[in-house]
Amino acid sequence: SFELTQPPSVSVSPGQTANITCSGDILSKQSVYWYQQKPGQAPVSLIYKDTERPSGIPERFSGSRSGTTFTLTITGVQAEDEADYYCQSYNSGATYVFGPGTKVTVL
Amino acid sequence: QVQLVESGGGVVQPGMSLRLSCAASAFTFGAYGMHWVRQGPGKGLEWVAYISYNGGYRSYADTVKGRFTISRDQPKKMLYLEINSLRPDDTAVYYCAKDGIGASLSHWGQGALVTVSS
Repeated sequence: SFELTQPPSVSVSPGQTANITCSGDILSKQSVYWYQQKPGQAPVSLIYKDTERPSGIPERFSGSRSGTTFTLTITGVQAEDEADYYCQSYNSGATYVFGPGTKVTVL
Repeated sequence: QVQLVESGGGVVQPGMSLRLSCAASAFTFGAYGMHWVRQGPGKGLEWVAYISYNGGYRSYADTVKGRFTISRDQPKKMLYLEINSLRPDDTAVYYCAKDGIGASLSHWGQGALVTVSS
């Protein structure tokens, strides 16, 4: 099995920048994917293949990589960005794993 | 617009079996792999199972291997998850999701709640 690590929570004021990290040994070989989940809703794909945004996702969401640590950055945080954020990766044999999630609170 | 609609959830007793269904529409179902992901109450997302676009390959999380079976019916555009020997810790919202670019899960259903309780 393999695991991903995320901070449990991040707090940020409106208009500021939030950084959420995701790390794990498997990430030296695989890409990271990010999802946003608001209370009572299904997850939404935010970032795929480390840095790419699906159509319809605001530009304030971006992904980056430094070694085996990946970062989801929300630039100019808005109140509507308050949610749980999950990273996800993939291992050989088509097994997938999610990080434990990071709760973003907009102060 | 891609649509995934789960059904088949409910309250079941420990040890019983259950089959969840996911109806897919507005995309070429037979061209995409599909997943089941669950989320226990107050917990994070847990990937459960994957089936390839043609059903020829399946994979499972270690926590459910041997008890869960993923399958698909191409003509009906349906995805299924058979759960046997249900346990209280299987209580969760179960989401079906469509494969996206790379290893992403591009679209998700709204989920089906399964509660295992006597």
